Amino acid sequence: AQSVAQPEDQVNVAEGNPLTVKCTYSVSGNPYLFWYVQYPNRGLQFLLKYITGDNLVKGSYGFEAEFNKSQTSFHLKKPSALVSDSALYFCAVSPYTGFQKLVFGTGTRLLVSP
Amino acid sequence: EADIYQTPRYLVIGTGKKITLECSQTMGHDKMYWYQQDPGMELHLIHYSYGVNSTEKGDLSSESTVSRIRTEHFPLTLESARPSHTSQYLCASSENLGGTADTQYFGPGTRLTVL
Repeated sequence: AQSVAQPEDQVNVAEGNPLTVKCTYSVSGNPYLFWYVQYPNRGLQFLLKYITGDNLVKGSYGFEAEFNKSQTSFHLKKPSALVSDSALYFCAVSPYTGFQKLVFGTGTRLLVSP
Repeated sequence: EADIYQTPRYLVIGTGKKITLECSQTMGHDKMYWYQQDPGMELHLIHYSYGVNSTEKGDLSSESTVSRIRTEHFPLTLESARPSHTSQYLCASSENLGGTADTQYFGPGTRLTVL
């Protein structure tokens, strides 16, 4: 069975500094990996996904994520954080075959201070 | 931006009431999903659908039921609401590109409180 771990409940960063939100996964076969963001009282918004190919995936709002197969990681990154990036971030994995059932991590709250 | 809608956005009801949470999408997606999310916590899949007349239970046991009579509509019903049903319910649909890499798009959610 697939699983996702987000080891940090919260990440604090100052505006303008680079940010990293960590995610590791466990899945049989090749993974499909996703990042979503959730603002208060809102649904999830899709940021980016890794399917195959280039290990560096670029997504919405200046975010990118690096797929590392040997470390089974898919960390979310942004070169310069904005206060408006403060939100809850979820990593998710989908199996390679069968019906798509996303398995989500527990989420990481990102707080960007002015 | 995905065109997926949920109503109501907020609902406060008493124990024992029957409720239906509405979810509609205008993207023509065959696959739809319901997730349950407690505040600030991970999402758990409770129902999904491959298409019209197809419904399946998800990974988290739920007393709710769903139906899929039309492609665009995937309502969730609780016959007799209880305080343990208090949660946020998120609906999603995914594109039909094939395989398990399709992106799921989420509605804004319904926050349900059962007194």
